[in-house]
Amino acid sequence: GQNIDQPTEMTATEGAIVQINCTYQTSGFNGLFWYQQHAGEAPTFLSYNVLDGLEEKGRFSSFLSRSKGYSYLLLKELQMKDSASYLCAVRDSNYQLIWGAGTKLIIKP
Amino acid sequence: IAGITQAPTSQILAAGRRMTLRCTQDMRHNAMYWYRQDLGLGLRLIHYSNTAGTTGKGEVPDGYSVSRANTDDFPLTLASAVPSQTSVYFCASSPGGDGHEQFFGPGTRLTVL
Repeated sequence: GQNIDQPTEMTATEGAIVQINCTYQTSGFNGLFWYQQHAGEAPTFLSYNVLDGLEEKGRFSSFLSRSKGYSYLLLKELQMKDSASYLCAVRDSNYQLIWGAGTKLIIKP
Repeated sequence: IAGITQAPTSQILAAGRRMTLRCTQDMRHNAMYWYRQDLGLGLRLIHYSNTAGTTGKGEVPDGYSVSRANTDDFPLTLASAVPSQTSVYFCASSPGGDGHEQFFGPGTRLTVL
């Protein structure tokens, strides 16, 4: 079967750095996406990785290792507005997205 | 209209009733999707359409049907609603092709009693 695993909840301090991990087992791989979802709102796109390595975009970076079936999202200089759920999704051999359950990130002052 | 809109925003429905959730996008995206999101579970794909005139089944299609008569609209119909269909429903669209993300509508919160 297909499976995406991420921690259910994480807590971090304002101004700090946090790393959210995602491991996957899917039928095929055609890219990995990270989305942010604030409570009661729609998911919004953060990053896309298809090759191994680190993609940096401002305070957010995403890393991929295809051989390990592993990705992480790194958030730097945390702000209160970063409190949200972070969703990992893998596009499989049918080009459909398989979604993890999301990681709820709580930022404390 | 800017982006993707969904209607209604929320709905309470009696079991056995028929319901259509509406989704419209103005970005001329080829691909459109319907997901449901339940607490503790990832987004689950109900149906999708890669281009106008075609549709396909996702992970959880039973009890739902869709149509794609044109590029902009992708309605989702529950023929006879059941309580297990209580969920938040998101419509999404994408230009299609490699590397393109999906853009989501604001969602419809549906409660079936």
